[in-house]
Amino acid sequence: GAVVSQHPSWVICKSGTSVKIECRSLDFQATTMFWYRQFPKQSLMLMATSNEGSKATYEQGVEKDKFLINHASLTLSTLTVTSAHPEDSSFYICSADGLAAYEQYFGPGTRLTVT
Amino acid sequence: RKEVEQDPGPFNVPEGATVAFNCTYSNSASQSFFWYRQDCRKEPKLLMSVYSSGNEDGRFTAQLNRASQYISLLIRDSKLSDSATYLCVVISYNTDKLIFGTGTRLQVFP
Repeated sequence: GAVVSQHPSWVICKSGTSVKIECRSLDFQATTMFWYRQFPKQSLMLMATSNEGSKATYEQGVEKDKFLINHASLTLSTLTVTSAHPEDSSFYICSADGLAAYEQYFGPGTRLTVT
Repeated sequence: RKEVEQDPGPFNVPEGATVAFNCTYSNSASQSFFWYRQDCRKEPKLLMSVYSSGNEDGRFTAQLNRASQYISLLIRDSKLSDSATYLCVVISYNTDKLIFGTGTRLQVFP
């Protein structure tokens, strides 16, 4: 149980285009999902906390107009990278809140390359 | 100063060796601690929680020293399959956010 999927697993896009990444909890409902970004040889950095039915909470330094988050249902959160630039190339990972305190289930990640 | 710091390694050890990683955290209000394992180009996976009294899970032992604000992970009898990056994760008292260290890379060779 407690499986989180992400789609796509990897994507290559041209600079200036937008890319949508989906995060789904497959066998449970997640009121809270988290979006992380990981650059090579760096730690996972929390970008935003996504709450079902309300606006996402962004971490300091993360542009909310560039990284659009929608959590329209208890099983789906989406992250849209708008007007992508090469520096947005990274590994994007989502996670969903588990039943136990501080428990999070991670998706397999999406590798974005912007050319 | 980073909130969670780890030696990036890599630690190159032969099979069967014992290896230890340390992690320091700067926020004294941190109250929950974990070790995650991340394989190359994969998501992190929870290895074990770290309790104040220390805890063991098979070949893995985790210790917490609140006074010195560091966490350790000991791996005994290393296996080739232990090769991965080990992430130290901390949660502060008043948030539910996971704060990740940069990870320590372990490479076990035959």
